[in-house]
Amino acid sequence: AQSVAQPEDQVNVAEGNPLTVKCTYSVSGNPYLFWYVQYPNRGLQFLLKYITGDNLVKGSYGFEAEFNKSQTSFHLKKPSALVSDSALYFCAVGGGRGSTLGRLYFGRGTQLTVWP
Amino acid sequence: DAGVIQSPRHEVTEMGQEVTLRCKPISGHNSLFWYRQTMMRGLELLIYFNNNVPIDDSGMPEDRFSAKMPNASFSTLKIQPSEPRDSAVYFCASSSRTERNQPQHFGDGTRLSIL
Repeated sequence: AQSVAQPEDQVNVAEGNPLTVKCTYSVSGNPYLFWYVQYPNRGLQFLLKYITGDNLVKGSYGFEAEFNKSQTSFHLKKPSALVSDSALYFCAVGGGRGSTLGRLYFGRGTQLTVWP
Repeated sequence: DAGVIQSPRHEVTEMGQEVTLRCKPISGHNSLFWYRQTMMRGLELLIYFNNNVPIDDSGMPEDRFSAKMPNASFSTLKIQPSEPRDSAVYFCASSSRTERNQPQHFGDGTRLSIL
């Protein structure tokens, strides 16, 4: 069965500092991994995805994520945080053996707060 | 391109009333998902459709909940009778089933309050 863990409910970082939001996954076979962001009173917005190839994936708004197969992790990173990055971030996994086409399994979300 | 459209954006109603939430997926997408988001339980998948056919409804809380997709451009989620514990934000999402690795695109949700 596929699953995702986001070990931190909250991440706080000062503006201009690098940020990391952690995600680990469990899946049989090759995973497809996604990051989404949710702003208040909005739906989830797609940020980036890893399918295959280069382990470092670049996405929207300067975010990137690093796929690490040995650690089954897919951490979201940004070199310099902005106050406007404050939002709820979700990691999701799809694919894997036995999975239904198109279905994603979401983590519980990590609230990122960037202080000015 | 228009995104996923949900209506209404907000719904306040009294316990026992029927509630109908509506969703128009992105044109050309053939997978549709209904989610519920609460502080306590996070984001829960309720049901999803592929090519208008329900594939997995194991996340539907109980028989009071039902979902339909009469055609590729419209879906409804109905709660009858509604209860205060149904209060949540309900999201609809769609994706292209053709490619396994395509992201889901979410609407802005319906915030439901049952008094």
